[in-house]
Amino acid sequence: QTVVTQEPSLTVSPGGTVTLTCASSTGAVTSDYYPNWFQQKPGQAPRSLIHNTSNKHSWTPARISGFLHGGKAALTLSGVQPEDEAEYYCLLYYGGAWVFGGGTKLTVL
Amino acid sequence: QVRLQESGPRLVEPSQTLSLTCTVSGASISSGDFFWTWIRQHPGKGLEWIGSIYYTGVASYNPALKSRLIITLDTSKSQFSLKMTSVTAADTAVYFCASHYAVGNFRWVDPWGQGTLVTVSS
Repeated sequence: QTVVTQEPSLTVSPGGTVTLTCASSTGAVTSDYYPNWFQQKPGQAPRSLIHNTSNKHSWTPARISGFLHGGKAALTLSGVQPEDEAEYYCLLYYGGAWVFGGGTKLTVL
Repeated sequence: QVRLQESGPRLVEPSQTLSLTCTVSGASISSGDFFWTWIRQHPGKGLEWIGSIYYTGVASYNPALKSRLIITLDTSKSQFSLKMTSVTAADTAVYFCASHYAVGNFRWVDPWGQGTLVTVSS
């Protein structure tokens, strides 16, 4: 069974920078996995932030960016704001099936 | 603007079949641009991809759930549906429907429905 691993929790200070990662049990994550990133706040449905590794939507804050690094997909939030406190999930494609990471709870403190 | 809305029973008895429908507006469910998708979230836990269906009616499923799943499409009603058989308490979750955009090399999942909590209990 394929497992996608994220940091369970991270803490960042307001104005700081934090990087979340997304690893695959099958090996290095590449663009062929179409890495997607989502933000979910309590009581809400998730919202897509990044697709295809690094592509932003019109609603994605400029301070958020996605990339590949060290065999993982990564999401960096720069100049973190209090409203960035949320759960973040990555999603990877495995030839017909998709697998979510376990999620990273980001605390802004 | 694409909108999705889940509907169906909120309470299902163990061993019975969970049935949910997602109504799509703002986009043609017959469009080849989307895979219509079900995702669930156990209480306080992470997201789990359940499966998707294309406008052709071809579906793909989470291997761990595949034996209990059927996803179908009703283009006349602009709806797609999920049936999960032989449910247990472990299937208690918030179920989301979502549109999975897939054109060329672009893939994203947005928007999502608001989600509906389905409880499996007698």
